[in-house]
Amino acid sequence: QSVLTQPPSVSGAPGQRVTISCTGSSSNIGAGQDVNWYQQVPGTAPKLLIFGKNNRPSGVPDRFSGSKSGTSASLAISRLQPEDEADYYCQSYDNSLSNSYVFGTGTKVTVL
Amino acid sequence: QEQLVQSGAEVKKPGASVKVSCKASGYTFTNYDINWVRQAPGQGLEWMGWMNPNSGKTGYALRFQGRVTITRNTSLNTAYMELSSLRSEDTAFYYCVRLSVDCSGRCHNWFDPWGQGTLVTVSS
Repeated sequence: QSVLTQPPSVSGAPGQRVTISCTGSSSNIGAGQDVNWYQQVPGTAPKLLIFGKNNRPSGVPDRFSGSKSGTSASLAISRLQPEDEADYYCQSYDNSLSNSYVFGTGTKVTVL
Repeated sequence: QEQLVQSGAEVKKPGASVKVSCKASGYTFTNYDINWVRQAPGQGLEWMGWMNPNSGKTGYALRFQGRVTITRNTSLNTAYMELSSLRSEDTAFYYCVRLSVDCSGRCHNWFDPWGQGTLVTVSS
């Protein structure tokens, strides 16, 4: 039922670069709404990773970066580390009839 | 530091209601909206609704309207989420989270910080 679609999983070897796509529509990402990203290690609460125009909270390495184009957004993780293995969610706002915050379907990142 | 601390795990029978609390500290409680997000076991994140702690104004996701109520007690810096007519599909972790805002220029908002989560189990 999520309006933002992500790939179920991506994987890469340590040191590699991976990207996660987040596909929305003209009522959310395409309408200019912010896309934020969260990291969730299993068994813990989600943690803010990227917000606004590609900003990182204090403590988040610059290996993480976000971008947006049209109705889609992407999260890139460069120089992949074992501790990056987690679930990642994009989030935006949908100004259609539902007028609600929306999350992506989630992507599991596996470090090989 | 700014944090949200939630109440403990709950076990409820189908048809019952549950009320989860979320206590804010380290910032002015009435300055930022509180939102609630849930996550069923092995599933993704689902937004449920928001509340402005200053005015008490609320907004709910369409699929929860009529079943969810978000309230607050400003003297305790605490928000509450009550979900009624519980069914097994409501078994999930429930998170409160602050909607942080930056309006220097165009306004941007994001969810941070998050509470630690409260597991609600619905079982007969």
